[in-house]
Amino acid sequence: DVKVTQSSRYLVKRTGEKVFLECVQDMDHENMFWYRQDPGLGLRLIYFSYDVKMKEKGDIPEGYSVSREKKERFSLILESASTNQTSMYLCASSLQGIGNNEQFFGPGTRLTVL
Amino acid sequence: AQSVTQLGSHVSVSEGALVLLRCNYSSSVPPYLFWYVQYPNQGLQLLLKYTSAATLVKGINGFEAEFKKSETSFHLTKPSAHMSDAAEYFCAVSERGKLIFGQGTELSVKP
Repeated sequence: DVKVTQSSRYLVKRTGEKVFLECVQDMDHENMFWYRQDPGLGLRLIYFSYDVKMKEKGDIPEGYSVSREKKERFSLILESASTNQTSMYLCASSLQGIGNNEQFFGPGTRLTVL
Repeated sequence: AQSVTQLGSHVSVSEGALVLLRCNYSSSVPPYLFWYVQYPNQGLQLLLKYTSAATLVKGINGFEAEFKKSETSFHLTKPSAHMSDAAEYFCAVSERGKLIFGQGTELSVKP
């Protein structure tokens, strides 16, 4: 079974702190994704990566950056956390293909910024 | 750009009743469509996917969905709801390897 793990289930940070969210997948997937989930808005794509050291902006990249130094690890960075970044963050991975490959999700990190 | 609309943010059914969760998509090309389920405090899990092989797709836990091109719909159904089906359900369409999600529908099951 594919396993996608995220470094923390719950995280509380203060405004202005630099925050790192880590995601690791164990199935040699090329694609990795970061989403944020908010009630009534579904999942919105922040950043994604098709390969090591490659990254593409999603729909809401402002205030975030990412790093992919190794194939299995994709990090989301909040350079200076703000209260409006309080949310559930979900990481996912998938094989490359023509779009019919499912994404496998981690359990999520619920981040609260005070 | 493609998009997905889920009609009804909350659906409530009685145990044993039919479950119908609605999803409409917009796409200029034949789409790949997905239904995911999210149980409380968990990530998303794939229920089923449509990849043009058959219009009626069967998934896990007794769910199925029918692709109707003329209606641009991909509604999710289950003949008989179980208490364990209470969760949030997301419809999604694939666009160049990315998923575009609907807003989600929370399903409640009453005893």
